[in-house]
Amino acid sequence: ETGVTQTPRHLVMGMTNKKSLKCEQHLGHNAMYWYKQSAKKPLELMFVYSLEERVENNSVPSRFSPECPNSSHLFLHLHTLQPEDSALYLCASSQDRGHMNTEAFFGQGTRLTVV
Amino acid sequence: TQLLEQSPQFLSIQEGENLTVYCNSSSVFSSLQWYRQEPGEGPVLLVTVVTGGEVKKLKRLTFQFGDARKDSSLHITAAQPGDTGLYLCAGVRYGGSQGNLIFGKGTKLSVKP
Repeated sequence: ETGVTQTPRHLVMGMTNKKSLKCEQHLGHNAMYWYKQSAKKPLELMFVYSLEERVENNSVPSRFSPECPNSSHLFLHLHTLQPEDSALYLCASSQDRGHMNTEAFFGQGTRLTVV
Repeated sequence: TQLLEQSPQFLSIQEGENLTVYCNSSSVFSSLQWYRQEPGEGPVLLVTVVTGGEVKKLKRLTFQFGDARKDSSLHITAAQPGDTGLYLCAGVRYGGSQGNLIFGKGTKLSVKP
């Protein structure tokens, strides 16, 4: 148990669907992250939130829309995705952003398949 | 261009063998972390190295940060099936976005009984 919980664990969606991924942390951390993990590619940072404010958006297509209503919850809203968006989506949190010893605590991920 | 190169990409060994995996870059990192990820799970932090030349030991695992802070290695002694997983190195780059980790592709280790 890492303290970061993601739901759902698995998701299959059509290209015209709208769905949301949820992440919850009860570690008292101030920063939360979305990563994408595809086969044959390194973990790709998508979004960073610090104290509920989005501080980074790494050129992610607009079909991915993050939301951070409070410091414990993070969502990733998905719409009109493409098959190449199929991947493991990982949420992480850390005590603070900007510390060189930032330790990321990861959730178990959501395995997304776009059909 | 891959910022952090990990090698080998795949490694399959017998229980009891020793192994070393490498994480190399042309960039300097202020710190470097090693994570292990098991199938169906998220990565879990093993160690953080901060000082050039630093060596840290975690039971049968030995981590080393290069003197120039551009590379790192992980050595496992007497590997066990429980060591099976994806080993990821991640660095915080000097001059990069503060606190953001840059990950390598990982080394997939399989230890057979």
